[in-house]
Amino acid sequence: QKEVEQNSGPLSVPEGAIASLNCTYSDRGSQSFFWYRQYSGKSPELIMFIYSNGDKEDGRFTAQLNKASQYVSLLIRDSQPSDSATYLCAVTGRNSGYSTLTFGKGTMLLVSP
Amino acid sequence: EADIYQTPRYLVIGTGKKITLECSQTMGHDKMYWYQQDPGMELHLIHYSYGVNSTEKGDLSSESTVSRIRTEHFPLTLESARPSHTSQYLCASSEYRRPTAGEDNEQFFGPGTRLTVL
Repeated sequence: QKEVEQNSGPLSVPEGAIASLNCTYSDRGSQSFFWYRQYSGKSPELIMFIYSNGDKEDGRFTAQLNKASQYVSLLIRDSQPSDSATYLCAVTGRNSGYSTLTFGKGTMLLVSP
Repeated sequence: EADIYQTPRYLVIGTGKKITLECSQTMGHDKMYWYQQDPGMELHLIHYSYGVNSTEKGDLSSESTVSRIRTEHFPLTLESARPSHTSQYLCASSEYRRPTAGEDNEQFFGPGTRLTVL
């Protein structure tokens, strides 16, 4: 089982819709969870982080964490074509004593006008 | 402006050459990282550092080496480049905080170096 699992997609949504991106992780000891956006050919940029169970909202983005189910998600409201990118889920990794991040392969999101 | 820089952005080089990829940050961060990413694949951590004179190997075995003589500088060196080293190399940095209530590891990335070894 991979440490961080994401559906590779592509996830296609029309402009203005809600995009829901999901991530599961295997290590119950992970404490910190991050969502990065990566445009093709570019480096990842941090969108949100979440540490506690529940929801965390920042503008059009909402991160949701359920540690019991080992599940973290990212909702993007009012999706725009400029949101089209690969979204990477990252969690703190056990191998380094939880001081580094393990990344998932990412989910490609396509927002059509 | 606080930022993280990588040079060169693109490098095409022949087999057997020694190369050094540069990474510098002006964000005042203690922790720095090197990742390798192939197209369509996940990022793999190859090296990281907690601060000056600290270097650790990451999850992915790599023939590269790193050094951390200054806080702001974390270069990566390949003594003898091979075609299998062709990849995108990404440098990142973060503050060093003792994890309390799960808070740690907000990493910020440089623009990357795309390396091609012929």
